[in-house]
Amino acid sequence: QSALTQPASVSGSPGQSITISCTGTTSDVGGYNFVSWYQQHPGKAPKLMIYDVSNRPSGVSDRFSGSKSGNTASLTISGLQAEDEADYYCSSYTNTISYVFGTGTKVTVL
Amino acid sequence: QVQLQESGPGLVKPSGTLSLTCAVSSGSISSSNWWSWVRQAPGKGLEWIGQIYQSGGPNYSPSLKSRVTISVDKSENQLSLNLSSVTAADTAIYYCARNWGKGFDLWGQGTMVIVSS
Repeated sequence: QSALTQPASVSGSPGQSITISCTGTTSDVGGYNFVSWYQQHPGKAPKLMIYDVSNRPSGVSDRFSGSKSGNTASLTISGLQAEDEADYYCSSYTNTISYVFGTGTKVTVL
Repeated sequence: QVQLQESGPGLVKPSGTLSLTCAVSSGSISSSNWWSWVRQAPGKGLEWIGQIYQSGGPNYSPSLKSRVTISVDKSENQLSLNLSSVTAADTAIYYCARNWGKGFDLWGQGTMVIVSS
């Protein structure tokens, strides 16, 4: 199972919106509505931000939203804040009863 | 609230077996259906290793399946990871995580394992 493809880096100014893409195949992203997104600050464990494509866990800011079209899922961060600067990973359930993560995207707040 | 804590040797010799445990505190391992192990090589991305149901029945990453064993010890309220025939490529931070639906909502702090002679 190959890693899902994400852009290496995305940047934006405070208050702007940015979108991170996550591209897979029909065996993972395209085949299931089971995409999740994680935020990871340096030296910290990942934090679940979005599950099942577009659902936010309790306590996660509504500035984070998710969507999916075909084999590509997306995470949008609205009203970008300094604290959003981190690495972001997508993940998808797959047709081999396993999970695959994305390559990761470094978000920089300018 | 439920917390996860990984533990085990920080150094493993090449060709040896990496063995880690994940202790579940302030909650029961039986309270959640599935538990997973995820690793992250230095400066690299996340890699799912495998998962286990609270009463057994593991699933493993196809790429690691031949070397991985995940088990649950309900009496100790912990899960375990064994990875055999390790090489330098297995050097990573190893996390245990609680499955939540088809995501992972609770993570341990991670434990660094270095494979070196």
